[in-house]
Amino acid sequence: GAVVSQHPSRVICKSGTSVKIECRSLDFQATTMFWYRQFPKKSLMLMATSNEGSKATYEQGVEKDKFLINHASLTLSTLTVTSAHPEDSSFYICSARTGRETQYFGPGTRLLVL
Amino acid sequence: DQQVKQNSPSLSVQEGRISILNCDYTNSMFDYFLWYKKYPAEGPTFLISISSIKDKNEDGRFTVFLNKSAKHLSLHIVPSQPGDSAVYFCAAITSGNTGKLIFGQGTTLQVKP
Repeated sequence: GAVVSQHPSRVICKSGTSVKIECRSLDFQATTMFWYRQFPKKSLMLMATSNEGSKATYEQGVEKDKFLINHASLTLSTLTVTSAHPEDSSFYICSARTGRETQYFGPGTRLLVL
Repeated sequence: DQQVKQNSPSLSVQEGRISILNCDYTNSMFDYFLWYKKYPAEGPTFLISISSIKDKNEDGRFTVFLNKSAKHLSLHIVPSQPGDSAVYFCAAITSGNTGKLIFGQGTTLQVKP
């Protein structure tokens, strides 16, 4: 199947700093990518839909100024957690869509904010 | 408002027996359902899916059943293998072209040798 990578896989940062997470589709182009967040032992929560060449669409309750999304090319979307706080610590997962019903997920990024 | 619910947080099954994972939904606009398998610190991997116009889809050891009137679907794994031990997420897509997945809370399956 199609491959989606995320970088970094794990990041530890100090409170107040910003962290950028990259999501790449390695062998296909994706006009739409999705960003999810998973809390321990909880479901994957959709944060936003990232569309190439246009602004991201954020789900209700997700702060767009806090979680900046850029989808600059058909193979790359980035999520920047700005002014990170300990409550932002979580597992962030991206997916790339190849069809309405088909998404391939990245391996996830574990963020720990101290 | 949890539109997709997996009410059993965990399930333990003996190797070789059948595993049945259940999922309920509330939104009648869902027209496609998927099951994903997830290991800790990894992204979900697609297992099997079913369109709302069908009531059964089978792929090897995995079968998904859909009961639209009850707004219920289930994943059957038979025979279960220790390598099947993971968290299983049910997900649904609403009609339209957004492709947004709504996930259930997940069920942790443990298959004992």
